[in-house]
Amino acid sequence: EPEVTQTPSHQVTQMGQEVILRCVPISNHLYFYWYRQILGQKVEFLVSFYNNEISEKSEIFDDQFSVERPDGSNFTLKIRSTKLEDSAMYFCASATGGASEQYFGPGTRLTVT
Amino acid sequence: AQSVTQLDSQVPVFEEAPVELRCNYSSSVSVYLFWYVQYPNQGLQLLLKYLSGSTLVKGINGFEAEFNKSQTSFHLRKPSVHISDTAEYFCAVSPYYKLSFGAGTTVTVRA
Repeated sequence: EPEVTQTPSHQVTQMGQEVILRCVPISNHLYFYWYRQILGQKVEFLVSFYNNEISEKSEIFDDQFSVERPDGSNFTLKIRSTKLEDSAMYFCASATGGASEQYFGPGTRLTVT
Repeated sequence: AQSVTQLDSQVPVFEEAPVELRCNYSSSVSVYLFWYVQYPNQGLQLLLKYLSGSTLVKGINGFEAEFNKSQTSFHLRKPSVHISDTAEYFCAVSPYYKLSFGAGTTVTVRA
């Protein structure tokens, strides 16, 4: 069964460093998403991406964040200058349509020290 | 804007007993409703969804949920749980694109 994959599974970085989280969505999916879950809190929407552009973003998704689909298979989330409060589990998801079921990856745990 | 309230943060239950997880939502527009499950150290997996039609929806692993528009609820039930149902369960709503999640309910099944 096709699945969404994410790398790395765990990333440790120092405050102020740039990180790139990588996702490989399911191949025939057209809609891509990033969510995050801070420990002990709810899963929060960050951004949705369709047709090579952001379709919606949350207040959390400020200028420090960017997304890209560089090569037609990967979908990346970049955090330009990490802060302690960026420590969280980041989930990638993909879907065939905007109202369709979203398939989630296993997540990348980001720890900022 | 949408919001989701899961009324129980933790639900301990004995094996083969029934379980109900409660979810209420608010939204100014029509939404689709979902329940996701997260097993330890895994991603989120869809249990079931309500898009339209019959208000009773059946999902994987013997779970079902009932949509109640007047009470803006979407409670999840299973008549007989197994040890393997130990997990975190998330209710979510979506008008389109993004999902808004509840805080989650941790279900612990004991023998």
